[in-house]
Amino acid sequence: GNSVTQMEGPVTLSEEAFLTINCTYTATGYPSLFWYVQYPGEGLQLLLKATKADDKGSNKGFEATYRKETTSFHLEKGSVQVSDSAVYFCALSRAGRRALTFGSGTRLQVQP
Amino acid sequence: DAGVTQSPTHLIKTRGQQVTLRCSPKSGHDTVSWYQQALGQGPQFIFQYYEEEERQRGNFPDRFSGHQFPNYSSELNVNALLLGDSALYLCASSLSGGLNEQYFGPGTRLTVT
Repeated sequence: GNSVTQMEGPVTLSEEAFLTINCTYTATGYPSLFWYVQYPGEGLQLLLKATKADDKGSNKGFEATYRKETTSFHLEKGSVQVSDSAVYFCALSRAGRRALTFGSGTRLQVQP
Repeated sequence: DAGVTQSPTHLIKTRGQQVTLRCSPKSGHDTVSWYQQALGQGPQFIFQYYEEEERQRGNFPDRFSGHQFPNYSSELNVNALLLGDSALYLCASSLSGGLNEQYFGPGTRLTVT
């Protein structure tokens, strides 16, 4: 079946540090890949997406590249801010199926 | 443009009771999905509604049922509540012909005592 594995948190960084959150997946075919962010007390917000191999999704300084050969979709940001503190979820959906399969989430804490 | 709205925000129920949660999709969206998010976990897919029919279902028992209305809003019903049903219930809407970009509501926090 489909599954998503994320690095465990919390990840604690100082402001302006470089961020990487690892995400690997297992799925048949060519799934679409997503990163969602959940701020405290809120629902999930779509951060970025990629629908085919070698696509790079980007938004608000965050980037992730769909790597078919390593089945990965790692999230990166060059310089984090305190306002980036949240829980980040990697997710996939199989072609033709609309259910999202989520990882367990990675909490990011950015200190000033 | 209103996003996805859910009601109520919080709910406390007793074991064995029944509960109904409500969701209004983002304007222009015709598909509604429901997810259960236990504390500290990622959301788990419950089911999806399109054209007032359940189109896809996750690994949840029949105690979980739903409905979609002609205006695309949706309800999630849970019967015979168990303590383990305590979770944040998220509704997400999307456009059927789109790239499956699902937009989530703020959720309903259900506590079963």
